[in-house]
Amino acid sequence: LAKITQPISMDSYEGQEVNITCSHNNIATNDYITWYQQFPSQGPRFIIQGYKTKVTNEVASLFIPADRKSSTLSLPRVSLSDTAVYYCLVPRQLTFGSGTQLTVLP
Amino acid sequence: EAGVAQSPRYKIIEKRQSVAFWCNPISGHATLYWYQQILGQGPKLLIQFQNNGVVDDSQLPKDRFSAERLKGVDSTLKIQPAKLEDSAVYLCASSLSQVPTYEQYFGPGTRLTVT
Repeated sequence: LAKITQPISMDSYEGQEVNITCSHNNIATNDYITWYQQFPSQGPRFIIQGYKTKVTNEVASLFIPADRKSSTLSLPRVSLSDTAVYYCLVPRQLTFGSGTQLTVLP
Repeated sequence: EAGVAQSPRYKIIEKRQSVAFWCNPISGHATLYWYQQILGQGPKLLIQFQNNGVVDDSQLPKDRFSAERLKGVDSTLKIQPAKLEDSAVYLCASSLSQVPTYEQYFGPGTRLTVT
């Protein structure tokens, strides 16, 4: 099984771009990488998923380099409402790590 | 589209008592998951159903936990008897298929406190 490692916490200011990196050595060649967001007292919510290179949707971008040993979630111009825990996940393993607590400051 | 429904939202019981949680997934979703989330940790998969069959229950403490999805729709998760360490949020999620790339939709969870 791939071991998932991501920073425990990060702080940012409103309007800045935030990049959260997750390392996932030994993922299988057909594994995707998925990111979820969780607010207090709510279940996690899907943000974005990718296999390689770059994926972008209306809320985030996901960068996965060629070696696929890591991935970076990019949140453009964060606001206070982006304060949450962000989880990197290999969907096939259904194993969430401890996540990254992002705190956006005014 | 209605989301995943769970009840109750909160439950307080004493150790050694029993408790049951209910989940109604999104209509048409064949796959249903139960997770346990202890404070400060990520969700931990307890059991995965595909329709009314169990796909993975390797992390379910079967001596005290049980789950069923009899008609392939609603599901219940039971704990009997409860221990202090069972205090956690129990999350139900559903997806269209067990294919890993399908997005999981989570309910709001049931917060269990065992005293």
